Amino acid sequence: GALVYQYPRRTICKSGTSMRMECQAVGFQATSVAWYRQSPQKTFELIALSTVNSAIKYEQNFTQEKFPISHPNLSFSSMTVLNAYLEDRGLYLCGALDREAGQLYFGEGSKLTVL
Amino acid sequence: QQQVRQSSQSLTVWEGETAILNCSYENSAFDYFPWYQQFPGEGPALLIAIRSVSDKKEDGRFTIFFNKREKNLSLHIKDSQPGDSATYFCAASANTNAYKVIFGKGTHLHVLP
Repeated sequence: GALVYQYPRRTICKSGTSMRMECQAVGFQATSVAWYRQSPQKTFELIALSTVNSAIKYEQNFTQEKFPISHPNLSFSSMTVLNAYLEDRGLYLCGALDREAGQLYFGEGSKLTVL
Repeated sequence: QQQVRQSSQSLTVWEGETAILNCSYENSAFDYFPWYQQFPGEGPALLIAIRSVSDKKEDGRFTIFFNKREKNLSLHIKDSQPGDSATYFCAASANTNAYKVIFGKGTHLHVLP
């Protein structure tokens, strides 16, 4: 079956430092990966959509300078949160799109705590 | 304006009962409706999904009933178990933007033994 692995599961970092998270799709080809953030209040925000061999599309309020993404092949993607501050806290989710099945599968999430 | 609305923040049922979680949406372009189950500290897991061409989708104890005309849907969990206690997110997307999933605010289900 389709599985998405994300790591690290949680990170605690000091204000102003950076955190990199990785996402791996198993059992299907993740042509597109959508990165979301779930706030401590449980609401979801789409950060960006990354498609192999295409430009990454960032949503309003999110930029490449702050959330650089790499998506080098059909099974792996990574995103970094640069200069993390309190407002960047949350659960960062990688959603890998299985186009054949038309389903979006999420990883377990990388929880970011900023001190 | 909230595009996907879940009518209850919280729902409590007894073990063995059927839990019914309701959801409605605004955008007629939505044609795919997944439900995600999330346990504390974990990411949301795809539980069951329905496309707008269907009015019912069943998978084991989980059934989605979909009403396109009324723009609402519900998730029924038969024979609820304490292990079903979790937050359930109703979500929606349009085929043209399958990755752009709009989530409801979630319903926290408590199943009492």
